[in-house]
Amino acid sequence: GQSLEQPSEVTAVEGAIVQINCTYQTSGFYGLSWYQQHDGGAPTFLSYNALDGLEETGRFSSFLSRSDSYGYLLLQELQMKDSASYFCAVSSSSGNTGKLIFGQGTTLQVKP
Amino acid sequence: GAGVSQSPSNKVTEKGKDVELRCDPISGHTALYWYRQSLGQGLEFLIYFQGNSAPDKSGLPSDRFSAERTGGSVSTLTIQRTQQEDSAVYLCASSRKTGFSSGANVLTFGAGSRLTVL
Repeated sequence: GQSLEQPSEVTAVEGAIVQINCTYQTSGFYGLSWYQQHDGGAPTFLSYNALDGLEETGRFSSFLSRSDSYGYLLLQELQMKDSASYFCAVSSSSGNTGKLIFGQGTTLQVKP
Repeated sequence: GAGVSQSPSNKVTEKGKDVELRCDPISGHTALYWYRQSLGQGLEFLIYFQGNSAPDKSGLPSDRFSAERTGGSVSTLTIQRTQQEDSAVYLCASSRKTGFSSGANVLTFGAGSRLTVL
């Protein structure tokens, strides 16, 4: 099966940098994705890493280390609107379907 | 359609009743997922329809749950003899690609169907 671990809550102040970690265990790992979900809203795609290293998209960056089964989402210049839940998700070849399995999510609270 | 449409947005039912939840994915999206999200929790995988291949039903929690996708488009999730623990938001998502193709991990979610079982 698959399992993912993320911190349940993170708090940071506006303008700061925050890192949300994700460790995973899965057979047939294929890639790590990140999604954002505002309270009461639908999850939206943020980023995807299939290879080791850093992917940057504006204020958000995502990192993957396949050898360590570890990744993180880095949010810079935090804004109040970044307060949301952030989910990592693994694409796994387990069962040969490539389905996307999500972690329990990290609630980020940005304070003024 | 322009987005993933789910109906009903809210459903209140009595324990033991059957419910049907509908998902209309983005036109042309070959992959369709159902997830369940309890209050403040993560997204629990239920079922994955991957184009013409057999669906991955490995996440369905019991035989009371079933889903079908007709004509490669609309999907219906059916819960029979509902229990209070079935109360949750049921999210549908679709993707242009399936399996291990580039882009298969980019899901567009619907707004969800909130199910309350009394």
